[in-house]
Amino acid sequence: GAVVSQHPSWVICKSGTSVKIECRSLDFQATTMFWYRQFPKQSLMLMATSNEGSKATYEQGVEKDKFLINHASLTLSTLTVTSAHPEDSSFYICTAWERQVKQGVTEAFFGQGTRLTVV
Amino acid sequence: DAKTTQPNSMESNEEEPVHLPCNHSTISGTDYIHWYRQLPSQGPEYVIHGLTSNVNNRMASLAIAEDRKSSTLILHRATLRDAAVYYCILRRNNFNKFYFGSGTKLNVKP
Repeated sequence: GAVVSQHPSWVICKSGTSVKIECRSLDFQATTMFWYRQFPKQSLMLMATSNEGSKATYEQGVEKDKFLINHASLTLSTLTVTSAHPEDSSFYICTAWERQVKQGVTEAFFGQGTRLTVV
Repeated sequence: DAKTTQPNSMESNEEEPVHLPCNHSTISGTDYIHWYRQLPSQGPEYVIHGLTSNVNNRMASLAIAEDRKSSTLILHRATLRDAAVYYCILRRNNFNKFYFGSGTKLNVKP
């Protein structure tokens, strides 16, 4: 099946620095990817929609200047957490959709997630 | 976006069937019902989805009420590896955004 890969799986950074997280669709093209954030024992919260070749669209309450999204190719979207602070520590997950032609199913494939810890 | 309501947690014995309910009373005619599950420290994994008719696949079955205001995910024989948080999500046709609810944490006892 289709695979979405995130890198890195985990990262620790110092407060005030920026961190880039990559999301790749390994065997399919994705014009749209989505970024989620998940705090411990909570559900996934949609942050933004990453659109290939155009600006990302952000959900209400998500700071676009803090969470920079770039979708430069059909297989790669990046999320940069700028000037990270301890409250940005979270599990970040991306997802992309693939149409399974044979089965006629369209489903979302999620990356394995990136654990960000800001110290 | 139409919301879903699920029990916070459920428990099952290994090798017994599990029925995970989901209420979605504000569902619209073009909303698909999707189920995903999430193991600890992993991204969600697709389980099954449907629109109106019941669906079966190798992982599970999805029973959709006639009025579509509720659905039930059925795991026919729970294993320890099925212990996860199960999310029932509504997706409007032609829109690929998922808004997750709180999900049901399934515990499977050996």
